[in-house]
Amino acid sequence: GENVEQHPSTLSVQEGDSAVIKCTYSDSASNYFPWYKQELGKGPQLIIDIRSNVGEKKDQRIAVTLNKTAKHFSLHITETQPEDSAVYFCAAGAFEGGADGLTFGKGTHLIIQP
Amino acid sequence: DADVTQTPRNRITKTGKRIMLECSQTKGHDRMYWYRQDPGLGLQLIYYSFDVKDINKGEISDGYSVSRQAQAKFSLSLESAIPNQTALYFCATSALPGQGNTGELFFGEGSRLTVL
Repeated sequence: GENVEQHPSTLSVQEGDSAVIKCTYSDSASNYFPWYKQELGKGPQLIIDIRSNVGEKKDQRIAVTLNKTAKHFSLHITETQPEDSAVYFCAAGAFEGGADGLTFGKGTHLIIQP
Repeated sequence: DADVTQTPRNRITKTGKRIMLECSQTKGHDRMYWYRQDPGLGLQLIYYSFDVKDINKGEISDGYSVSRQAQAKFSLSLESAIPNQTALYFCATSALPGQGNTGELFFGEGSRLTVL
């Protein structure tokens, strides 16, 4: 089965700086890579996703990059703001299979220092 | 109102007790899921259901059971709770991937269960 490793487990950055969270996956059949953000006391929420037919996707201050050869993908947050403080989860799986085929990483606690 | 509602939000119980966590959704999705979250372990799938007559085990189903009472309702039961089932539980829904849908998961706000 799929194995997803996520690093770092905790990341502290100064407000305004960039943050990068990295994930690796093991199953070359995986073709869908979503990122979820979990704010304190709430359920995770999808913030961006990428499919394996593209190498990069951006949405305002958030971007995800994918390297299929190396089997790793990363979340980039630029110009960090206090509201970016949360736990972020990456996941990998087959798009056609739906959420039941997703394997989640263990999460990264992102702390934005004022 | 929340699209995915979980009850109770917090529950403290004793070892051996039967516990039911309930989930209801207004998103009209056929697919519903129960996840368990432990600190540092991410999200682990317990059970999932694609329609009222469909129940499937996830990666950590031992000690749990589920019931899909209607398209909008999916409950998780612990028949005899034990302390290592202390965790945060999430219900989620999704549409079938394709035809403009990504299979995005929509989560409830969680049910924190403590088993003493």
